[in-house]
Amino acid sequence: GQNIDQPTEMTATEGAIVQINCTYQTSGFNGLFWYQQHAGEAPTFLSYNVLDGLEEKGRFSSFLSRSKGYSYLLLKELQMKDSASYLCAVIDSNYQLIWGAGTKLIIKP
Amino acid sequence: DVKVTQSSRYLVKRTGEKVFLECVQDMDHENMFWYRQDPGLGLRLIYFSYDVKMKEKGDIPEGYSVSREKKERFSLILESASTNQTSMYLCASSYNAENTGELFFGEGSRLTVL
Repeated sequence: GQNIDQPTEMTATEGAIVQINCTYQTSGFNGLFWYQQHAGEAPTFLSYNVLDGLEEKGRFSSFLSRSKGYSYLLLKELQMKDSASYLCAVIDSNYQLIWGAGTKLIIKP
Repeated sequence: DVKVTQSSRYLVKRTGEKVFLECVQDMDHENMFWYRQDPGLGLRLIYFSYDVKMKEKGDIPEGYSVSREKKERFSLILESASTNQTSMYLCASSYNAENTGELFFGEGSRLTVL
């Protein structure tokens, strides 16, 4: 079967750096998304990786290793507003999106 | 500002009632999706549509139906609501049929079935 694994919950301190990992086993691969979802709100797009390597976008970066079936989202200079769930999703060989359960990130002052 | 609007943020229905959840997007997107989101589970696709009057079953279509009479509107119907359909329902749209484009989500409709 197809599977996306993310930690259920992580805690970090304001101003610090946190890395949220995502590992996947899917039938084929056509790209990987990260979305952010604040409690009670819609998920919003953060990043899309289809080639190996690091994509940087301000305080957020996303890394992909296709050979390892692995991605991470790196958040720098954490702010209280970064408290949210972070969803990893993979596009499989049939161009279907497979979603992880999400990682709830708690930021403490 | 691009937008996906869901008709109701919160609904409470009784078992056996018919439930309509409406979704409208203003981005002229071809593709629209209905997901449900439950704690500890990833988003699960119920139905999707790549064109007007066209629909495809997702991973969990049982107990649901959909309607897409106009490009901008995609409705989810629960013919006879059951307690196991208590969930958060998310509508989304995208411009890209291969799912390699960004999904735009509505704010969600939280349905409670008593």
